[in-house]
Amino acid sequence: GDSVIQMQGQVTLSENDFLFINCTYSTTGYPTLFWYVQYSGEGPQLLLQVTTANNKGSSRGFEATYDKGTTSFHLQKTSVQEIDSAVYYCAMRGTNYNQGKLIFGQGTKLSIKP
Amino acid sequence: DPKIIQKPKYLVAVTGSEKILICEQYLGHNAMYWYRQSAKKPLEFMFSYSYQKLMDNQTASSRFQPQSSKKNHLDLQITALKPDDSATYFCASSQDRRLGGYEQYFGPGTRLTVL
Repeated sequence: GDSVIQMQGQVTLSENDFLFINCTYSTTGYPTLFWYVQYSGEGPQLLLQVTTANNKGSSRGFEATYDKGTTSFHLQKTSVQEIDSAVYYCAMRGTNYNQGKLIFGQGTKLSIKP
Repeated sequence: DPKIIQKPKYLVAVTGSEKILICEQYLGHNAMYWYRQSAKKPLEFMFSYSYQKLMDNQTASSRFQPQSSKKNHLDLQITALKPDDSATYFCASSQDRRLGGYEQYFGPGTRLTVL
């Protein structure tokens, strides 16, 4: 079945460090992929999305590239700031497009030391 | 102004009771969803509705019943509550469930604790 895997449960960095969060997916075909960010006490909000048409997404200094060969969709940021502290979720639309279902990874909690 | 309203923000219930979680969206969207987030599982899809019709139900239990009285409302009724139902329940909406890439907007969540 469809699944999204984020192996890193927690990442701790210092300000201006490079961020890399792994995400791999398993499904048939080429799904639309997303990164959502969830700040403490809030609902998730879309950070960026990528389809096979554009292959790369970026927003607020974050980037993610769709790699069909390795079925990966890693999130990167060159220089993190304290305000980036949040939980980051990789997500994928389910195989049955008509249902609109999003399948989320386990989430990666990013903590930034000032 | 909040675009998706969920009420209440916090809810405490006793085992065996029934509760209704309220969700209203003011984004003009045609599709609405419920997700659940618990300590054990990440964000987990529960239901999707489109034009007030149920499109997908991924919950294993009939104790969870969505109710859509208006196009911009999708409440969630939970009966015979169990401690395992303790979680944060998020309502979400999107312009249209069918077309690829439409962003789902999430509400602030209702945190349910079942004692």
